Amino acid sequence: AQKVTQAQTEISVVEKEDVTLDCVYETRDTTYYLFWYKQPPSGELVFLIRRNSFDEQNEISGRYSWNFQKSTSSFNFTITASQVVDSAVYFCALSEAEETASKLTFGTGTRLQVTL
Amino acid sequence: GAVVSQHPSRVICKSGTSVKIECRSLDFQATTMFWYRQFPKQSLMLMATSNEGSKATYEQGVEKDKFLINHASLTLSTLTVTSAHPEDSSFYICSATAGAGGHNEQFFGPGTRLTVL
Repeated sequence: AQKVTQAQTEISVVEKEDVTLDCVYETRDTTYYLFWYKQPPSGELVFLIRRNSFDEQNEISGRYSWNFQKSTSSFNFTITASQVVDSAVYFCALSEAEETASKLTFGTGTRLQVTL
Repeated sequence: GAVVSQHPSRVICKSGTSVKIECRSLDFQATTMFWYRQFPKQSLMLMATSNEGSKATYEQGVEKDKFLINHASLTLSTLTVTSAHPEDSSFYICSATAGAGGHNEQFFGPGTRLTVL
């Protein structure tokens, strides 16, 4: 069975600091997909990224970057120059490709608080 | 991206009543819809998977007779919490996907906050 671990429950940083959110996953499948979602206080999930298991290239999107390391089963997320609007709960999730129903397994989330 | 709506966004009801939550895919046909429950400060837990025209598949520990799911069309799934009790108070989120397979992105609704008094 798959499992996603986000060991950091809460992180607090001062604006403009860089912050990395950790995600470690477990799966027996060779083909799988990894996701990051942002959940602001309003509750709605905001999709940030999807990465398949065959693509280990790191990705950068503006202030966001992701580091996928298959060797350590990690998919970490870094926010550069954090802003107050980045304050939210961030979830890492896993979907196994063999699942016909695309079921997502979520980590427990990391609450990020960015202060002035 | 595709849009998924939920109605109502917030509901307060008395213990013992039933509550229906609708999940609609507005601009695509959703072959599969998922229902999640999220307790305060916790993660999303999958409750059930529903495919249009067939019975929903419930996760272990989720009572199918209490959480009735109907996926009557390719754009609508409903979750009915029957005889709701205070412990059912939670944030219910649906998602929809247009195809089978783990590579298909799930599009999430804005959630419904249920409070049972």
